[in-house]
Amino acid sequence: KAGVTQTPRYLIKTRGQQVTLSCSPISGHRSVSWYQQTPGQGLQFLFEYFSETQRNKGNFPGRFSGRQFSNSRSEMNVSTLELGDSALYLCASSMLQDTQYFGPGTRLTVL
Amino acid sequence: GQQLNQSPQSMFIQEGEDVSMNCTSSSIFNTWLWYKQDPGEGPVLLIALYKAGELTSNGRLTAQFGITRKDSFLNISASIPSDVGIYFCAALQGAQKLVFGQGTRLTINP
Repeated sequence: KAGVTQTPRYLIKTRGQQVTLSCSPISGHRSVSWYQQTPGQGLQFLFEYFSETQRNKGNFPGRFSGRQFSNSRSEMNVSTLELGDSALYLCASSMLQDTQYFGPGTRLTVL
Repeated sequence: GQQLNQSPQSMFIQEGEDVSMNCTSSSIFNTWLWYKQDPGEGPVLLIALYKAGELTSNGRLTAQFGITRKDSFLNISASIPSDVGIYFCAALQGAQKLVFGQGTRLTINP
């Protein structure tokens, strides 16, 4: 069974731009969660989607948003990028209230 | 910010030695997880713990879910070079929200 895939793997943007990251969960998994990883703050929860509905949200500004499609694939969007948004963005999928499996991440660099 | 206190932050050991790291919290959690992350990759699940007091093994790895539900530890026996990486504890908070420890960076001298 294929693992969680994330595209693109690397991205360079400039301040003020917006970005969309994509995540395809493991087949059969309906829950998708997003995390931000930085050296200073570590791994922090962004939000979680299940059956196209956001069930949980972390403490991030409204510039960070996401959505989930009917095939469970998910996207997250960051608008008006700031230098501090540079991070590894990780997606994780799970069946229901179950163990989360992570993708390889998208490395975003904001210049 | 982080809600789990993980220690030690780094370890430098000789190949073949045993390793122990732990994670504590002021809050109670019902699920504890241990992940390993290699550079440039996402965390890989090592062990999942679902019951207080549970002791679970995965090869040379052993983890325990503390009886108070506020802590967990991970042991690695007879370390080998491929054990190098960053180990994270995590706990499940609410609907699929994981909180993480700061990580333990393991370095092995051959």
